[in-house]
Amino acid sequence: EVQLVESGGGLVQPGGSLRLSCSASGFTFSSYAMYWVRQAPGKGLEYVSAISSNGGSTYYADSVKGRFTISRDNSKRTLNLHMSSLRAEDTAVYYCVKAGYCSSTTCYSPFDPWGQGTLVTVSS
Amino acid sequence: QTVVTQEPSFSVSPGGTVTLTCGLSSGSVSASYYPTWYQQTPGQAPRTLIYSTNTRSSGVPDRFSGSIVGNKAALTITGAQADDESDYYCVLYMGSGIYVFGTGTKVTVL
Repeated sequence: EVQLVESGGGLVQPGGSLRLSCSASGFTFSSYAMYWVRQAPGKGLEYVSAISSNGGSTYYADSVKGRFTISRDNSKRTLNLHMSSLRAEDTAVYYCVKAGYCSSTTCYSPFDPWGQGTLVTVSS
Repeated sequence: QTVVTQEPSFSVSPGGTVTLTCGLSSGSVSASYYPTWYQQTPGQAPRTLIYSTNTRSSGVPDRFSGSIVGNKAALTITGAQADDESDYYCVLYMGSGIYVFGTGTKVTVL
């Protein structure tokens, strides 16, 4: 069974930094891209960042570009998100998500499964 | 900036049918966007219902179905049950590894 367990959330002041981690098990971690998706309180889902299976390619939403850094350690089966210059609008539950893939006949769910999420609160 | 639009809310009677849609602020949704639908209940992470327009994920009841209707992706719940009361999100693939989530629809069963 695939399991994704996030950690590192908490309360941080505006302008501060925080590092989220996601521990993965139940699948060949090094074979899959991974994502971070966030959800502000009472709001919808936002695709925040992605990293390729070998870590060589990354993506950031415009809202976090230049402030967030995604990384992974395949030997430790861990996904990370380093967040700096945090703003009130970064307050959200951050989900670690395994990327889907495409076979020769179909493309599976791009975001599946999801971790339980970790709450980041940016407030003074 | 691409916006993926969904109805803010829907109400359906138990046993009734409701169709949620997922559209683009500019242009039409087709299968090449690989529309995927997620269900999220309060306090829980989203789970996949439908991927690649119309394929049900493992374990998803067959009362959930996906399609393209006109210029939008659609999720139909046929024979709604009380535990279908959730938030539903679509996501579209824009190419180059970029996905955009829809604004979400809150479904009430009453």
